[in-house]
Amino acid sequence: SQTIHQWPATLVQPVGSPLSLECTVEGTSNPNLYWYRQAAGRGLQLLFYSVGIGQISSEVPQNLSASRPQDRQFILSSKKLLLSDSGFYLCASYRDAAFFGQGTRLTVV
Amino acid sequence: AQKITQTQPGMFVQEKEAVTLDCTYDTSDPSYGLFWYKQPSSGEMIFLIYQGSYDQQNATEGRYSLNFQKARKSANLVISASQLGDSAMYFCAMRDGSGYSTLTFGKGTMLLVSP
Repeated sequence: SQTIHQWPATLVQPVGSPLSLECTVEGTSNPNLYWYRQAAGRGLQLLFYSVGIGQISSEVPQNLSASRPQDRQFILSSKKLLLSDSGFYLCASYRDAAFFGQGTRLTVV
Repeated sequence: AQKITQTQPGMFVQEKEAVTLDCTYDTSDPSYGLFWYKQPSSGEMIFLIYQGSYDQQNATEGRYSLNFQKARKSANLVISASQLGDSAMYFCAMRDGSGYSTLTFGKGTMLLVSP
């Protein structure tokens, strides 16, 4: 089965600083990859998804960007964080079923 | 456009009782898949069960079963013999049939199991 590695687990960053969250997948090839954000006590909001290397689709306009430099690597980035970027970020991989990473709890201060 | 609706923000159940978490969906794709996930306070998303739109039988996985009523577009999760460790948020999700490119989630239901 698939294993999703996501790091870091927690992150506290000042407003205006850059961001890079990394997600790697083991146990499958050519998966669909997703970045979700979950505000406290809320549901999951799809931010980006990718069906292949270099292919990124954005679901909502925002301060974030995503890249997929390798088949099993998905990166979420920002050049300048905003307070509203705080939340719980989850990476997911879908091949025959959807699996999630452990999540990154980002606090922008 | 896809839509997933979970109408129960919270549910309470006593240990050892069964509980049903509601999920309705809306899609124009004839081919789709429905998932249920559990999210404990740690934040990880744990896959529970999957139902394909063409599956003839309702999916079951241990104490979890999915009550799939295609005509009513509902995919309720049934947890039998609730345990204290079942207390968590539960999310219903759907993937569309067009290359499985997106997963859409409901807003979730918080389940609290009491002794």
